[in-house]
Order: sequence, then C-alpha cells, then structure tokens
Amino acid sequence: GAVVSQHPSWVICKSGTSVKIECRSLDFQATTMFWYRQFPKQSLMLMATSNEGSKATYEQGVEKDKFLINHASLTLSTLTVTSAHPEDSSFYICSAIRAGYNEQFFGPGTRLTVL
Amino acid sequence: GIQVEQSPPDLILQEGANSTLRCNFSDSVNNLQWFHQNPWGQLINLFYIPSGTKQNGRLSATTVATERYSLLYISSSQTTDSGVYFCAVGTSGSRLTFGEGTQLTVNP
Repeated sequence: GAVVSQHPSWVICKSGTSVKIECRSLDFQATTMFWYRQFPKQSLMLMATSNEGSKATYEQGVEKDKFLINHASLTLSTLTVTSAHPEDSSFYICSAIRAGYNEQFFGPGTRLTVL
Repeated sequence: GIQVEQSPPDLILQEGANSTLRCNFSDSVNNLQWFHQNPWGQLINLFYIPSGTKQNGRLSATTVATERYSLLYISSSQTTDSGVYFCAVGTSGSRLTFGEGTQLTVNP
C-alpha cells in the first residue's frame, strides 16, 4: 500500500519550453502532496505543498510563476516547469500523505535535463 | 526553521559489520522519518518514528524526542544496504525538513 508514481521518469527539453510532471497516488487518496527538488550530491529541498482543490503554498525563494502546481484531484498533482532553463535541470520528487496521517510516501522522481 | 544534522556524512563498512547513524534536530518534532535513497533516486520509507523504538528485520531505530535525536541501527550489513540514508523531520503541519544524509558504502 501507499504507492506513489511519477511520470515521466526522465525528460530532456530545449531551453524556453515548458515541461509537465505528474504525480499520482495509486492506492490511496492524498489530501496533501509535496514537490521537492534534489541537485546532485545534495539533500531534498521542499518546493511547495499542494492541497486538493486549493492553491499551492510555495517555499521561500521558489518562483510560483515558474513552477506551476495543480492538485486537481485526490490522486493527482502536476508540476509544470514553465520556460525551462538549464539551471532548472534537476531531480524532481513528489510525495503524498493520506488524510489523518503524517507519514509521507515518495514517488520515484523525474530527472529533468534542459539543453 | 528547524535544523537537522546527520552524522557521519560518509561511512564505509565491510559486509557483515554493524553501524549506527545519528540524526540531531533543533526543535520539538511531530514527525520523523528515515529513508534509504537507492542508486536510482527512489526514496524507500524505513521508519516513521517521531518517538520510541521500532525494528524491522536487520534495521532498527530509536528516537529520543526529549533530547532531540534519533538513531538508525543497521546490523549485519549487506552490499545492497549501500546508498544514502536521510533523516527528515516535521514540526507542524506536514512539511518535512531533510538532513544532508549519510552516504553508506558496504564493500563485499
């Protein structure tokens, strides 16, 4: 139980294009989902928290117009990197929690490379 | 915000050895999780342990919330235990703050 998937696993795009990453909870309803970014040899940094049906809460320093988050249902959240640039290249990981619980479960991550 | 320190940053073991990883945090927490990040980047949940002691096979964990630290024990280590071990804590709501991780290498 508590399986989280992400799609795509990896993506390569040209500078200036937009990329959408999907995060799905497969066997539970996720009232809250989180998006993290991890650079090589570094720890995970929280980017934003999304609750179903409401606007995402972004961490300080994260551009909300650049990283668009939509939590349209209890099993799906999407992260769109708009006008991607090489410095946006990173490993993006989502997580989800079930209603009434605190434990986070993580997706397998999406590796984004912007050329 | 809360500070999370993990030690040691790097650990090299021979197969079969035991090890202890430490996580210190600077404030009261209502959530503490240990993860193993495999070579493909997947975070594997090891323990949800805001307080107390838990065991799962060769792994066990103890969190002493009043003294603001947690320990992860790995016994009879195997090469498949290699990877990065993260401690992450939450203070309010459900946000997690991650430590910098311990890079474990188990040699055959």
